[in-house]
Amino acid sequence: DTAVSQTPKYLVTQMGNDKSIKCEQNLGHDTMYWYKQDSKKFLKIMFSYNNKELIINETVPNRFSPKSPDKAHLNLHINSLELGDSAVYFCASSQDLGTGSYEQYFGPGTRLTVT
Amino acid sequence: AQSVTQLGSHVSVSEGALVLLRCNYSSSVPPYLFWYVQYPNQGLQLLLKYTSAATLVKGINGFEAEFKKSETSFHLTKPSAHMSDAAEYFCAVRPNFGNEKLTFGTGTRLTIIP
Repeated sequence: DTAVSQTPKYLVTQMGNDKSIKCEQNLGHDTMYWYKQDSKKFLKIMFSYNNKELIINETVPNRFSPKSPDKAHLNLHINSLELGDSAVYFCASSQDLGTGSYEQYFGPGTRLTVT
Repeated sequence: AQSVTQLGSHVSVSEGALVLLRCNYSSSVPPYLFWYVQYPNQGLQLLLKYTSAATLVKGINGFEAEFKKSETSFHLTKPSAHMSDAAEYFCAVRPNFGNEKLTFGTGTRLTIIP
């Protein structure tokens, strides 16, 4: 069983379109995250949710909107896609809210290419 | 505030040689430190973590790291490199309390020379 899964794995779309990436974890974790990895492999957190509540919201354009229907799912919706949004997006989950030493488990990533 | 610096964006070692990947951290409070590995076209996998229990931490695949507070370092080592170790390695830090985010270094690409 895959612990953290993401769909789709690859996403190619044109500028201006709206797209969503879905994430599901079957680890029973309370906290989920979205990261963006750019072409230079730099990883930056975008959002964090704990029990469906937004905890961390980094400086991300408001075209990006996370949605957590339940604590096992965290989806990322992107409006009006731009060339600069091209990256690999990773979903992750962890057991704790941030007070413990629990590590984050990462999904396989979604490679988004905007043309 | 917290940050990590990984010295050397690319490291090449011969198969069977010692692997040393450097990580220095900056944190105003005691940190938790992590090493993750990313194989091509895959997500990140935890190698090991420091949580203040022991300064020498052993991880998976024969890797270990030593927390040195005086040097603010958490370097990753493996005595003998294997071809399968070729990957991108990330050091990460977060405070040991509070609801703080994990901050990653810029990564080190490890190449193994046959």
